[in-house]
Amino acid sequence: DVKVTQSSRYLVKRTGEKVFLECVQDMDHENMFWYRQDPGLGLRLIYFSYDVKMKEKGDIPEGYSVSREKKERFSLILESASTNQTSMYLCASSTQTGRGSAFFGQGTRLTVV
Amino acid sequence: GESVGLHLPTLSVQEGDNSIINCAYSNSASDYFIWYKQESGKGPQFIIDIRSNMDKRQGQRVTVLLNKTVKHLSLQIAATQPGDSAVYFCAETFNQAGTALIFGKGTTLSVSS
Repeated sequence: DVKVTQSSRYLVKRTGEKVFLECVQDMDHENMFWYRQDPGLGLRLIYFSYDVKMKEKGDIPEGYSVSREKKERFSLILESASTNQTSMYLCASSTQTGRGSAFFGQGTRLTVV
Repeated sequence: GESVGLHLPTLSVQEGDNSIINCAYSNSASDYFIWYKQESGKGPQFIIDIRSNMDKRQGQRVTVLLNKTVKHLSLQIAATQPGDSAVYFCAETFNQAGTALIFGKGTTLSVSS
């Protein structure tokens, strides 16, 4: 069974902390994505990566960075967490051209206090 | 930037009715579209996709219609069941390596018995 696994379901962090969200996929997909989901705003793309060590900004990259050192792993980093980054974070992966479904992880609910 | 949107944020239907969920897209270069279903507490799951060289595609109890003239996408669910209650998202992309999926804001479907 194909899987995208996010390291945590729930996280609570303090304002100013550096936060790491980890995502691993076992489908040998080239593309990996980080989205943020907020009520009424749908899924907004933060960053994506189409190859190891490659990254592209999405619609809302401010306050975030990413790392992709290995094909199967894509990390989202909040350099200095703020309360407006409280959200559901979703990782996904897909084939190089995006054809076929993108597979999503179960999500990480991050609360910044 | 260009985006994918949905006409209605919520839709309520009776069990057994047919449901139609609509989506408007604005990027004329998009050539691949996907519908996702997201149940509470889970990541989005692939339902059905359609390429721009088609105007209709059918799955099990679901049909996707694509009208490129007006840039409109719809998902039809036949004989809606309580288990169909979820948030439905449309997503678009185009045929280029390294292209991200862009999502609409979602429609919450509520099915009552």
